[in-house]
Amino acid sequence: DGGITQSPKYLFRKEGQNVTLSCEQNLNHDAMYWYRQDPGQGLRLIYYSQIVNDFQKGDIAEGYSVSREKKESFPLTVTSAQKNPTAFYLCASSIQSGGSYNEQFFGPGTRLTVL
Amino acid sequence: DAKTTQPTSMDCAEGRAANLPCNHSTISGNEYVYWYRQIHSQGPQYIIHGLKNNETNEMASLIITEDRKSSTLILPHATLRDTAVYYCIVRAVSGNTPLVFGKGTRLSVIA
Repeated sequence: DGGITQSPKYLFRKEGQNVTLSCEQNLNHDAMYWYRQDPGQGLRLIYYSQIVNDFQKGDIAEGYSVSREKKESFPLTVTSAQKNPTAFYLCASSIQSGGSYNEQFFGPGTRLTVL
Repeated sequence: DAKTTQPTSMDCAEGRAANLPCNHSTISGNEYVYWYRQIHSQGPQYIIHGLKNNETNEMASLIITEDRKSSTLILPHATLRDTAVYYCIVRAVSGNTPLVFGKGTRLSVIA
């Protein structure tokens, strides 16, 4: 099946530990995105990448880092510098083509709880 | 910041049409209106998008006013499975600029 995989669905970490969230897609999409969602709120953009080996900060990049070494993978690291890391994290991807709308497909999300 | 305004919540009886409004008074000429929905604890799902003409697909219809300052998403026969948060988003058509989400409208379909 084609799609976006995020693992694990639930993740628990102790305060002060870095944690890496996985996002893999087999849709051959060029662009990938990371969003964060807090209870009762909309999604906020953390980072996005339009091509391999390139990425841009979103609105709330502080305390996070990403890499894009492969087209199909866009892991997000939540560092100890992130003050309130407990949240629902969503990864998305879209095909890159100029001049037309490219639907964003979302993964199932990872719920991170920092104890 | 999101460029759209939506009611916080709405109720709809099962089997009836659900009409979800959205205001986007500052929309630019090159921006489309998109609708996504998010069922609890899942990733958002694309529903429909449009520029200035009304659009219809298997999920919903999108009615955009002539001045493009507002739109309405219509679910013609709402079911319990349509209970979700619905997001109205404006975005330029070209490239892959990320979506900017507001808080959306929480639609509750009631049996």
